[in-house]
Amino acid sequence: EVQLVESGGGLVQPGGSLRLSCAASGLTVSSNHMSWVRQAPGKGLEWVSVIYSGGNTYYTDSVKGRFTISTDDSRNTLYLQMDSLRVEDTAMYYCTRDLRDSFDYWGQGTLVAVSS
Amino acid sequence: IQMTQSPSSLSASVGDRVTITCRASQSINSRLNWYQQKPRRAPKLLIYSASNLQSGVPSRFSGSGSETDFTLTISSLQPEDFATYYCQQSYTTPWTFGQGTKVEIK
Repeated sequence: EVQLVESGGGLVQPGGSLRLSCAASGLTVSSNHMSWVRQAPGKGLEWVSVIYSGGNTYYTDSVKGRFTISTDDSRNTLYLQMDSLRVEDTAMYYCTRDLRDSFDYWGQGTLVAVSS
Repeated sequence: IQMTQSPSSLSASVGDRVTITCRASQSINSRLNWYQQKPRRAPKLLIYSASNLQSGVPSRFSGSGSETDFTLTISSLQPEDFATYYCQQSYTTPWTFGQGTKVEIK
């Protein structure tokens, strides 16, 4: 059974940093494409970033230069390093397996709140 | 690519046939997925590549369409189907979602 468990969310001031983690079981993170998708409170879904199994990474324009996606093979974990956080980054962040044509497995999410 | 769903919300009764539409701002072939999200839960994949039912999803859900116009149909609405539904294009990054359609109990 595949499980994705996110952690690392919390309250941070504008300009601050957070690192989100997504611990995987039942699948090997480095052998799959993995994405982060976020959802602002009461709003819709927004794709944030993907890391392909070959290592290529892509980001939505609003986070380019501020967020970094990565994986740790030894921990079978996906990360999202978020720097220079803005109020508009406030959202629930989900990790997902990205099949390049759909997101089939999702974690339960971790909440990031950016506020002074 | 912008994805536009209609309606934004609808009220329906158990047993009703429900149709939700999704329009892409350019052709996306059949690279269109549908997700269901219940409150305080992660989204769940229902339909991929416009018309393929994800494993374990009830057959009352179906999808159709191509190019720019797509439809999600629930043939007979069940109590557990009251939720918000999102379409998503997988034609090109950035992957984009529709704004969602909330299905409520009449």
